[in-house]
Amino acid sequence: DGGITQSPKYLFRKEGQNVTLSCEQNLNHDAMYWYRQDPGQGLRLIYYSQIVNDFQKGDIAEGYSVSREKKESFPLTVTSAQKNPTAFYLCASRDSQYSNQPQHFGDGTRLSIL
Amino acid sequence: AQSVTQPDIHITVSEGASLELRCNYSYGATPYLFWYVQSPGQGLQLLLKYFSGDTLVQGIKGFEAEFKRSQSSFNLRKPSVHWSDAAEYFCAVSKWSADKLIFGTGTRLQVFP
Repeated sequence: DGGITQSPKYLFRKEGQNVTLSCEQNLNHDAMYWYRQDPGQGLRLIYYSQIVNDFQKGDIAEGYSVSREKKESFPLTVTSAQKNPTAFYLCASRDSQYSNQPQHFGDGTRLSIL
Repeated sequence: AQSVTQPDIHITVSEGASLELRCNYSYGATPYLFWYVQSPGQGLQLLLKYFSGDTLVQGIKGFEAEFKRSQSSFNLRKPSVHWSDAAEYFCAVSKWSADKLIFGTGTRLQVFP
């Protein structure tokens, strides 16, 4: 089945440590996105990529980094500069050939601080 | 700037009752509009979308939504709620395409038997 796989489902970070969240899709979508979800705040866009080797900052990019070396993969690194990383992180992808194609979401990674 | 408002943080209904979840957006032209549902600890699933045409759109799981330009609203409805509908519901808006979505803060639906 085609879909978006996020791993791990739960992740723990020590103070001062960088961690990387994985997002893989086999939908052959060009566009991929990372969102952060906090209780009562909805989803906020961290980074997005519309094509391989290119990505743009979203609304809350500080303390995060991404890469897009392959079409199917869009890993997110939460750096030590992100002072409040505890949240639920969602990856999405979209067939950007058509303007009316919606975003499809993975099942998320929950990041906590030890 | 675009924004989305979901005025109800939490709604409780009895199973079999009708449901309406409110969504208001701020944008000058007709945006792309979406409703997503999220079960606890899961990702978001698309319920329905509106881009143009008929202002009443049908979605999955028996949901529908109506776009009202004069009220800048895109409310989600279901005539008879099932216990499995208990989840969090998000309205989202986008300017030119389904690319950069702006999400509302969500409405948590609780269903009593």
